[in-house]
Amino acid sequence: QSALTQPASVSGSPGQSITISCTGTSSDVGTYDVVSWYQQHPGKAPKVIIYDVRDRPSGVSDRFSGSQSGNTASLTISGLQAEDEADYYCSSYTSRNTRVFGTGTTVIVL
Amino acid sequence: QVHLVESGGGGVQPGTSLRLSCAASGFIFSSYAMHWVRQAPGKGLEWVSVIWYDGHAQYYSDSVKGRFIISRDNSKNTLFLQMNNLRVEDTAVYYCAKGGGAFSGSGMSQPGDWGQGTLVTVSS
Repeated sequence: QSALTQPASVSGSPGQSITISCTGTSSDVGTYDVVSWYQQHPGKAPKVIIYDVRDRPSGVSDRFSGSQSGNTASLTISGLQAEDEADYYCSSYTSRNTRVFGTGTTVIVL
Repeated sequence: QVHLVESGGGGVQPGTSLRLSCAASGFIFSSYAMHWVRQAPGKGLEWVSVIWYDGHAQYYSDSVKGRFIISRDNSKNTLFLQMNNLRVEDTAVYYCAKGGGAFSGSGMSQPGDWGQGTLVTVSS
């Protein structure tokens, strides 16, 4: 199972919006609405910020939003803040009853 | 409040075995699927395995299938990962995670709350 494809890095200035793409196939992202997104700061465990393509867990800022079109899922961070600088990973269920993560994206706040 | 604590990591030689544990508290353990996810030093996240809420189904990544066994003891709120025939490339921090989102009891669940991880180093 190949990893989902994400850009290596995305940057933006404070207050701007950025979008991270997550491209899979019809065997994962394109078929199952169980895509999740994770934020990971250096030396810390990952934290889920989006479930089921677009749902935010309790306590997660509404500046984070998820969407999906075809084989690509996307995470948008609005009103970028310094604390958003971290690594972000997408993840999807697959037709083989397994799960796959994305390659990861480093968000840089300029 | 969900609390997950992994243990059992350490340094071992290739070809040997290790058993990881994940002690869970703060939720009804027997109602949720549980995942193991690993992260090699300086690398991204890699999903390893999932076990359904009742333990009746388990699935594995191709990289560990046939070598690792996931299990759970719902009476003790504990998740396990038996790792056999370890390879250098299994070196990673291993995280356990509670299934979340839709289908939270099944393999379609999404890793939600995570522990802090335990480091496994395989080296000769």
